[in-house]
Amino acid sequence: DTEVTQTPKHLVMGMTNKKSLKCEQHMGHRAMYWYKQKAKKPPELMFVYSYEKLSINESVPSRFSPECPNSSLLNLHLHALQPEDSALYLCASSQEGSSLSGANVLTFGAGSRLTVL
Amino acid sequence: GNSVTQMEGPVTLSEEAFLTINCTYTATGYPSLFWYVQYPGEGLQLLLKATKADDKGSNKGFEATYRKETTSFHLEKGSVQVSDSAVYFCASISSGSARQLTFGSGTQLTVLP
Repeated sequence: DTEVTQTPKHLVMGMTNKKSLKCEQHMGHRAMYWYKQKAKKPPELMFVYSYEKLSINESVPSRFSPECPNSSLLNLHLHALQPEDSALYLCASSQEGSSLSGANVLTFGAGSRLTVL
Repeated sequence: GNSVTQMEGPVTLSEEAFLTINCTYTATGYPSLFWYVQYPGEGLQLLLKATKADDKGSNKGFEATYRKETTSFHLEKGSVQVSDSAVYFCASISSGSARQLTFGSGTQLTVLP
């Protein structure tokens, strides 16, 4: 299994809703990532988990709350979002919990497209 | 810190045309370099990579050579197909944080039949 699986593929929510995005990988990767991608832009890093511990939080607003229940799963809990949070949310994983390199590359999921009304 | 400058798009070509998408980088040290491709409605897929000067990455007919003297990693393909229509991102490993990919702005390629 060489895939990163994200659910749901599409999500529409109101500003008062609470929802979650889910990500799963079974490649034995020990680092997992959330990225946000606006249309026609490159992905922006939000969070990195290494060995199930949060290692990077790129000053993301608290209305986004990540969770890593185990080494295969990564969630992004959403609450009180704003319309400008509408974007494609990409999950990724990498083999080692340590640094990225030419040998330790990111594998991306297909993304969850979020629309906030 | 690192930065990646990518050729502005969009690029529109006819099938079987030659493709070049320019990418230059600035970095301290010797970064690893990558090209990712994003097909419509999908996530990013690693297309090819190079880890040191003069390395050539290749995949699916695409090639890119790590040129230290010109700090470039241009993507080329000799004969594009309609199925190559996608957004292409050049990227490098950040020296400031080895967990971060530094992406270029992306180049939209459309190949017409």
